[in-house]
Amino acid sequence: KAGVTQTPRYLIKTRGQQVTLSCSPISGHRSVSWYQQTPGQGLQFLFEYFSETQRNKGNFPGRFSGRQFSNSRSEMNVSTLELGDSALYLCASSLYANTEAFFGQGTRLTVV
Amino acid sequence: GQQLNQSPQSMFIQEGEDVSMNCTSSSIFNTWLWYKQDPGEGPVLLIALYKAGELTSNGRLTAQFGITRKDSFLNISASIPSDVGIYFCAGLPVGYQFYFGTGTSLTVIP
Repeated sequence: KAGVTQTPRYLIKTRGQQVTLSCSPISGHRSVSWYQQTPGQGLQFLFEYFSETQRNKGNFPGRFSGRQFSNSRSEMNVSTLELGDSALYLCASSLYANTEAFFGQGTRLTVV
Repeated sequence: GQQLNQSPQSMFIQEGEDVSMNCTSSSIFNTWLWYKQDPGEGPVLLIALYKAGELTSNGRLTAQFGITRKDSFLNISASIPSDVGIYFCAGLPVGYQFYFGTGTSLTVIP
């Protein structure tokens, strides 16, 4: 059974640009959550989707958005990138939202 | 967002020693998860706990869901060099959002 797949693994973007990250959950999983991980802040929750609906959102500015498709694949978009957005972005999938979550390898975003 | 209190923050131990770490919260949780993360990789799920008092093992790893539902413990017995990494706890209260601990960095000295 394939695990959670995140693409791309690495990205370098310039301040002001926008970026889209992709996450394919484990087959059959309907819940996808996104997290930002930085050395200083640890794992910070961005948002959670279940059956194409955003059910929960963390405390991030509106520049961070996401969506989930009918096949449960999810995308996360960050607009008007800032230097502070440099981080490892992790996606986790669950069968349901309150069951064990499995993480992808992450996308390392560097904003220069 | 809310984060769990995880301790210790870091540990340096000799190969073969046992390791203990814990997470505490001011809130009651319904689920506790323990993860291990290697540098540049995503966290890997080690153990999941769903009931207060539950004790679950995965090889040399043993985790417990605290009776108060506000804490959880992870023990690693007879540590080996590949145990090196950062260990995170995650707790789920009622709702859809997991809260993560700040991590315990484990270094095993051969």
